[in-house]
Amino acid sequence: DGGITQSPKYLFRKEGQNVTLSCEQNLNHDAMYWYRQDPGQGLRLIYYSQIVNDFQKGDIAEGYSVSREKKESFPLTVTSAQKNPTAFYLCASGGMNEQFFGPGTRLTVL
Amino acid sequence: QKEVEQDPGPLSVPEGAIVSLNCTYSNSAFQYFMWYRQYSRKGPELLMYTYSSGNKEDGRFTAQVDKSSKYISLFIRDSQPSDSATYLCAMLLSSYGKLTFGQGTILTVHP
Repeated sequence: DGGITQSPKYLFRKEGQNVTLSCEQNLNHDAMYWYRQDPGQGLRLIYYSQIVNDFQKGDIAEGYSVSREKKESFPLTVTSAQKNPTAFYLCASGGMNEQFFGPGTRLTVL
Repeated sequence: QKEVEQDPGPLSVPEGAIVSLNCTYSNSAFQYFMWYRQYSRKGPELLMYTYSSGNKEDGRFTAQVDKSSKYISLFIRDSQPSDSATYLCAMLLSSYGKLTFGQGTILTVHP
């Protein structure tokens, strides 16, 4: 059963805490991406990785960190430095010209 | 000015209507164009992908690209209540690059 999985589906964080969102894919894609979605703003790119052990900042990387130690996995950490982390987080992976999305994680800061 | 502009709607149509969804863009270097459908609280699903000016058809869906006008459209024929979702246009500058999204259009098809 091929695809992209994200966990957890819902996550609650207290202010000042770091949290890590999981993203795994078994599509054998080299490239993986993290987007943030807020109402009325479409999707904005946080970080992306085109190959293992390498990643680049997207448009809104401040307050986030990532790692890419395995081709299948691209976890995102939302740090306490992110001032407004409540959002819907989407992971994607892609071949050359297409990107496919996971089901998302909804993060809420209490 | 945003690189990709999309009318957020909401758009409400009766079942069976033809729906037209549109995006304009400012960067003429965009090469690849996609339409995603997103149901509430779900990840976006890739509907259509094209890279050249002209029309591409897939069932009830037709994607149209006009690079000279920097304008793309998605047409849905014989719309169904199950088509009710948010539709996002997205564009790529180059292979393996980052997608630039429009804001999304909320569509409701009522029986």
